[in-house]
Amino acid sequence: GAVVSQHPSWVICKSGTSVKIECRSLDFQATTMFWYRQFPKQSLMLMATSNEGSKATYEQGVEKDKFLINHASLTLSTLTVTSAHPEDSSFYICSATPFQGLGYEQYFGPGTRLTVT
Amino acid sequence: SQQGEEDPQALSIQEGENATMNCSYKTSINNLQWYRQNSGRGLVHLILIRSNEREKHSGRLRVTLDTSKKSSSLLITASRAADTASYFCATVYTGANSKLTFGKGITLSVRP
Repeated sequence: GAVVSQHPSWVICKSGTSVKIECRSLDFQATTMFWYRQFPKQSLMLMATSNEGSKATYEQGVEKDKFLINHASLTLSTLTVTSAHPEDSSFYICSATPFQGLGYEQYFGPGTRLTVT
Repeated sequence: SQQGEEDPQALSIQEGENATMNCSYKTSINNLQWYRQNSGRGLVHLILIRSNEREKHSGRLRVTLDTSKKSSSLLITASRAADTASYFCATVYTGANSKLTFGKGITLSVRP
């Protein structure tokens, strides 16, 4: 149980285009989903927290107009990288938790590698 | 900013040996979690220890938490080549809902 999928697993796009990444909880309803980015050999940096039906909460320094997050249902959240540039190339990972309240474990997707040329 | 800091940053051991990884953090936490990441993959949750707990076991894993020193350790006993991965500690600090703050990670290599 507690499986989270991401699609696509990798994507290459041209500079200036937009890319949408989907995150789905397959066997549970996710009250909260998180989006992270990870650079090679580095840690995960939280980008935003999204709750179903409400606006995402972005971390300091993350451009909300560039990284659009939609959490339209309890099993799906999407991250759209708008007008992508080479510096947006990274590994994007989502996670989800079915729990409400403090500090339960998160279930992570397999990640999406974005390369912007 | 990252809160957890693991050490060592890299660890190489022989199969069958024990691996000990440490994590320190800076502020009051609700709980601390350890995750494993295989190269280029997502994270797998290993174990969660709450601030009122001192030790937890799960299979070959043993986690300790010392809130007075703001530190935790992850012990993997009888390591296997398949344990080769990056290991991250992540904290949920008081007042942060479920938000995880990750450390930089430890790269563990287990030689067959």
